[in-house]
Amino acid sequence: QQQVKQSPQSLIVQKGGISIINCAYENTAFDYFPWYQQFPGKGPALLIAIRPDVSEKKEGRFTISFNKSAKQFSLHIMDSQPGDSATYFCAASMNNDMRFGAGTRLTVKP
Amino acid sequence: DAGVTQSPTHLIKTRGQQVTLRCSPKSGHDTVSWYQQALGQGPQFIFQYYEEEERQRGNFPDRFSGHQFPNYSSELNVNALLLGDSALYLCASSLGRGTDTQYFGPGTRLTVL
Repeated sequence: QQQVKQSPQSLIVQKGGISIINCAYENTAFDYFPWYQQFPGKGPALLIAIRPDVSEKKEGRFTISFNKSAKQFSLHIMDSQPGDSATYFCAASMNNDMRFGAGTRLTVKP
Repeated sequence: DAGVTQSPTHLIKTRGQQVTLRCSPKSGHDTVSWYQQALGQGPQFIFQYYEEEERQRGNFPDRFSGHQFPNYSSELNVNALLLGDSALYLCASSLGRGTDTQYFGPGTRLTVL
């Protein structure tokens, strides 16, 4: 059933560095691509999202890059901070049917 | 402005039992979706309710059923519990069908022994 593949499974970055998480999808009918951040014991929180008519979207330190022809998108976290340490999920949605990647556990070392 | 709330926070059941989980959507939202998140995995879509009807369903057996009330709150029922049903159950709310921005609650941790 997995339609969204996410990599890497885990990522360790030094404070101030750039964290990059990648996702690939299969179904070209997906038309909404969000990224969620989840802390232990909490529900996922929407970080940033993009639609396929845009190749890049930036909000603060978070940027989504989207490659429609390759069916890939990625999350870049600039100036990574220890408070960014969490699990990140990409997702792809059509008509509110949202499919999630398996998650990336990000650790930002001080 | 209250966000999505879920109850209970934790629940322990034994195999074969039935369980009911509850969700109140974010203020102003009318659509509720339910997800199952196994440990170390991404959430998996169970179903979505809008206008008190199940509108979409993921790949889950009929043991999983739900309900939406006129105030938009929702219940998830799971019958004949299996060990494999142990997971975090997440509720997400959104406004209207066809909108994709979903806000998640903190989840209910279900343990089946």
